[in-house]
Amino acid sequence: TQLLEQSPQFLSIQEGENLTVYCNSSSVFSSLQWYRQEPGEGPVLLVTVVTGGEVKKLKRLTFQFGDARKDSSLHITAAQPGDTGLYLCADTDSWGKLQFGAGTQVVVTP
Amino acid sequence: NAGVTQTPKFRVLKTGQSMTLLCAQDMNHEYMYWYRQDPGMGLRLIHYSVGEGTTAKGEVPDGYNVSRLKKQNFLLGLESAAPSQTSVYFCASSSGDVDEQYFGPGTRLTVT
Repeated sequence: TQLLEQSPQFLSIQEGENLTVYCNSSSVFSSLQWYRQEPGEGPVLLVTVVTGGEVKKLKRLTFQFGDARKDSSLHITAAQPGDTGLYLCADTDSWGKLQFGAGTQVVVTP
Repeated sequence: NAGVTQTPKFRVLKTGQSMTLLCAQDMNHEYMYWYRQDPGMGLRLIHYSVGEGTTAKGEVPDGYNVSRLKKQNFLLGLESAAPSQTSVYFCASSSGDVDEQYFGPGTRLTVT
């Protein structure tokens, strides 16, 4: 059974600071998705990465996929309070089934 | 276009009671999923469906049943609720197995 580990579990920073969260797998990812979940809502997809070494940017968010496709990171530059949320990584399986990590709770204070 | 909707939003059950959670999507998606989210454990797949009339077990199916009689609806049933089923339940849908999943707002269920 694949294990997804996310670190840190919790991160609290001030507005304007940078942060990085990590997702590591015990086995190779099929494809990796990053989601953000705000309180009282369902997760929303941020990005999908498929190719080892891939880097994707979404405004102030930078996603990296490890060369061996067993790890990924999400870096946020100049964090804003709107970035507050639970960041989840997930591996896709057959039939689109998702296996999620436990998530990193990010709090950005003004 | 409402996306994915879930009813009810909140529910409190006593041990042994039954209930059905309804998920509806208006995006004509083939695939639908039910997850539960517990503190510190992320989301775990309960059951899923790859088309009308089909269902399959996910990671944690015990104690739950599902039905997909209409393409737009996916029902999750608890026949005899247990305190261990206290959780937040999310429904999701997608157009294909490599496509984005769209999640509903969740149902918070407490079993006492």
